[in-house]
Amino acid sequence: NAGVTQTPKFQVLKTGQSMTLQCAQDMNHEYMSWYRQDPGMGLRLIHYSVGAGITDQGEVPNGYNVSRSTTEDFPLRLLSAAPSQTSVYFCASSLSVTNSPLHFGNGTRLTVT
Amino acid sequence: EDQVTQSPEALRLQEGESSSLNCSYTVSGLRGLFWYRQDPGKGPEFLFTLYSAGEEKEKERLKATLTKKESFLHITAPKPEDSATYLCAVQGPTAFGNEKLTFGTGTRLTIIP
Repeated sequence: NAGVTQTPKFQVLKTGQSMTLQCAQDMNHEYMSWYRQDPGMGLRLIHYSVGAGITDQGEVPNGYNVSRSTTEDFPLRLLSAAPSQTSVYFCASSLSVTNSPLHFGNGTRLTVT
Repeated sequence: EDQVTQSPEALRLQEGESSSLNCSYTVSGLRGLFWYRQDPGKGPEFLFTLYSAGEEKEKERLKATLTKKESFLHITAPKPEDSATYLCAVQGPTAFGNEKLTFGTGTRLTIIP
């Protein structure tokens, strides 16, 4: 049972480039989400999805897009990378939105130069 | 606005030296309080969920407790493998009728052999 799988583990981008962070889960979880983790700050929610075909914005959505065409996959797209998007990105899933613990992937460390 | 404050930021203990980590929170209508453990280079791993004041949960050397304003993670006779960052998060309602998870910045625990 792989859980939540994120690729790539590391990525370096130049300002203005675009890329997609991949996230897949094999637990049949309805809820999936993307967080970013920065030094001295708690995990912050970027976008989330409560099921296939449904997405919504979190706390810090600007500069990111998501889609959810299947239950398993929830990719995060950076449209035009900026140095402020240098961070560690975590994908997480859970059985439901409420009172259900999150299962996290191992993260993607992104550096934008 | 929901707030989570964890203290101390960092804690160094000798192996076998028991202590407690604190998570103070402000939320309008707690739906759940979560504790996670995060190892370097990994995603957070779920430990406990607490729902109401007075509730306690235990797992090996860890015990989590909850009051109306704070939660404690008690570590009894810790071992070096307990070294990690411990994150606290609270789930509460939003003005839009859904729920939001707010994370603290964590306590970095180091157990010295």
